[in-house]
Amino acid sequence: QQQVKQSPQSLIVQKGGIPIINCAYENTAFDYFPWYQQFPGKGPALLIAIRPDVSEKKEGRFTISFNKSAKQFSLHIMDSQPGDSATYFCAAKVTGANNLFFGTGTRLTVIP
Amino acid sequence: DVKVTQSSRYLVKRTGEKVFLECVQDMDHENMFWYRQDPGLGLRLIYFSYDVKMKEKGDIPEGYSVSREKKERFSLILESASTNQTSMYLCASSPTGREQFFGPGTRLTVL
Repeated sequence: QQQVKQSPQSLIVQKGGIPIINCAYENTAFDYFPWYQQFPGKGPALLIAIRPDVSEKKEGRFTISFNKSAKQFSLHIMDSQPGDSATYFCAAKVTGANNLFFGTGTRLTVIP
Repeated sequence: DVKVTQSSRYLVKRTGEKVFLECVQDMDHENMFWYRQDPGLGLRLIYFSYDVKMKEKGDIPEGYSVSREKKERFSLILESASTNQTSMYLCASSPTGREQFFGPGTRLTVL
C-alpha cells in the first residue's frame, strides 16, 4: 500500500511553464515532507523540504505548497527550463522514524 | 561533500547465483538504506540500518538480506537471484533519516 500517492506519472511542459506535481498522504504522523530530484544515471538528491507547520516554502524557482487539512502537498517549478527535465519524487517521514516513504515519481520533460 | 559509492554500476548475474551489492559512505552517517527503483513503482525500501549490526526490514525485504559490520559499509545480499530481482538498486546514507544522500545506483540484470 502506497503511503504517499504522487501524480501525474509524467508531465511535459514548454520552457517557461509552471509544472505542478501533487502528492497526497493519509498518515497524520508524518512530520517532514521532502522532494527529491533525479537526473538520468544519477541517484536522487534532496531538492527542497517542508514541515507541516508552514503552508509554503520557496527556494529559488522551486516552491512547495502544503495543505495540512487536505493532507496534500505539491511542488511548483517557476519558469521551468530544459535543465529541470528529471524525475521528481515526493516523500514523507514519520515522527521519530529513520526512514522515508517515497511516492512513485513524476518524469518531467521541459521542451525548449 | 558526502560521497556514497556503490561497488558496480552494472551487473549481470544468472538465476540462482548469490549476489553481493556493496555500498560505502564517507560521512560517518548512522543510517544507511537500500532501495530498488522500478518504473512506475518509485523507490521501495528493502532494508535499512540505524547502527552497526542493526537492521530493519523495509517494505519489500523478501529475497534479500543485509550486512553492516562497519559503520561506513552496508551490503545487500541476494541469496539466490531470480529474474524478478532485475532492477536498479540504490543505496543511501543519512545522519538523521531526513536528508538522504544517494549513490549512483547499480543496475542489476538477472538472466
